Amino acid sequence: GDSVTQMEGPVTLSEEAFLTINCTYTATGYPSLFWYVQYPGEGLQLLLKATKADDKGSNKGFEATYRKETTSFHLEKGSVQVSDSAVYFCALSDQAGTALIFGKGTTLSVSS
Amino acid sequence: DTEVTQTPKHLVMGMTNKKSLKCEQHMGHRAMYWYKQKAKKPPELMFVYSYEKLSINESVPSRFSPECPNSSLLNLHLHALQPEDSALYLCASSQPGQGAQETQYFGPGTRLLVL
Repeated sequence: GDSVTQMEGPVTLSEEAFLTINCTYTATGYPSLFWYVQYPGEGLQLLLKATKADDKGSNKGFEATYRKETTSFHLEKGSVQVSDSAVYFCALSDQAGTALIFGKGTTLSVSS
Repeated sequence: DTEVTQTPKHLVMGMTNKKSLKCEQHMGHRAMYWYKQKAKKPPELMFVYSYEKLSINESVPSRFSPECPNSSLLNLHLHALQPEDSALYLCASSQPGQGAQETQYFGPGTRLLVL
């Protein structure tokens, strides 16, 4: 079945450091790929998405490119801030669009 | 506007209580979802409503009873819960019919504690 694998962390960085959170997937067909962010004590917020190969999703300085050849959707940010501290979930949408399949989540902690 | 609202924000209940969680969206979405999320875990799908009809029930115990009174509202009725049901309950919505491009938008969740 479809699945998502992401680095579990925790990832600990200093402010202004470069961030990469790896995400790879296994899926039949052509899923859409998502990054959701969950700040402490809150629900999930859609951070960015990509719906086809080579698409780049971007938002708030974060970027991820849908790479079909490597089945990856790595999240990057050039300069993290303390306010980016959160849990990041990579997810894919199955072909029917009814189910989101999540990775286990990566905790990011940024210190000043 | 991509807002999904949920009430209450926090809920404490005993194992014999009956309570309800509420979710509302005004994006015109016709699919709504309930998820359960335990600490440090990803959300787990519980129920899916599509066009106000229950389309997916992920083998959830009958002490959880969903209801979709109209296209904007989704309720989750709780009865005789167990302490292990304590979790964050998330509601989400999406516009069905877009296949893999369907995007789910989540609410802030209700944090439930069962004593």
